[in-house]
Amino acid sequence: DIQVTQSPSSLSASVGDRVTITCRASHSISNYLNWYQQKPGKAPKLLIYGASSLQGGVPSRFSGSGSGTDFTLTISSLQREDFATYYCQQSSSTLFTFGPGTKVDIK
Amino acid sequence: EVQLVESGGGLAQPGGSLRLSCAASGFTFSSYAMTWVRQAPGKGLEWVSSISGNGGSTNYADSVKGRFTISRDKSKNTLYLQMNSLRAEDTAVYYCAKDIVVVPAAGDGFDIWGQGTMVTVSS
Repeated sequence: DIQVTQSPSSLSASVGDRVTITCRASHSISNYLNWYQQKPGKAPKLLIYGASSLQGGVPSRFSGSGSGTDFTLTISSLQREDFATYYCQQSSSTLFTFGPGTKVDIK
Repeated sequence: EVQLVESGGGLAQPGGSLRLSCAASGFTFSSYAMTWVRQAPGKGLEWVSSISGNGGSTNYADSVKGRFTISRDKSKNTLYLQMNSLRAEDTAVYYCAKDIVVVPAAGDGFDIWGQGTMVTVSS
C-alpha cells in the first residue's frame, strides 16, 4: 500500500499569513494527489485534484504543486474561513489513502 | 442541486450488522463511481470502499475486506454499505462521496460528500 504523511501536524497562523503544508508519499505517485479541507462537524471539501488543479468554486488563494513523492498545498493569504484541517489523499493506487491531516488554527 | 444523503447509522453490537444507504440526486448516478470514507471520533479520514458506475468493479480497504460489501441500485439512485461482523474499531462517522471518474482509477478524487452517518459498535 502507498502510505502518505503530512507535515506539520498542526500550525498556528494569523489572517493574511502565507501557509504551506507538505505531503509525502511512500512511493512515486506521479501527480495523483488531492487536497481536502474539513471544518469541525462538517464533511470534507475537495480543494485541489491532480496535485495542482483547482476544484471549481475554490478561491484562487489555494494552490497545489509537486509530483512524484513530494507535494505542497499553499494558502497565499490566510482568511478566517480557512481555519480548518487539511488532508492530502493519493489516488495513484485504488487502495486510496489519506494523510493524517494538518490542523490550521488561529495564532 | 447535487446532493448525497446518508442514513442507516446507529448502535450495533460487536459481531452485529448494519446497512448504510446513501441517496443521490442532482447528477447522473450511473456515470460516476461512488465511495465510502469513514472518520473515527477525533481521528482522520479513512477510505473504506469504492464501486464503479455500473457496479461491476469494487475495491475495499484491508481493514474491512471480507466483512463489508458495497453495492448500488441504479433504479433508486442509492449507494449501500453492508457491514457485517462489526468491531469496536468500526465506530466512526461514515461518509458517502461521489467520485470524479466513472471507474475508480489513478487520478480519482471525491468531489461531493454527504453529511455523514454515525455508526457506534458497542455492547
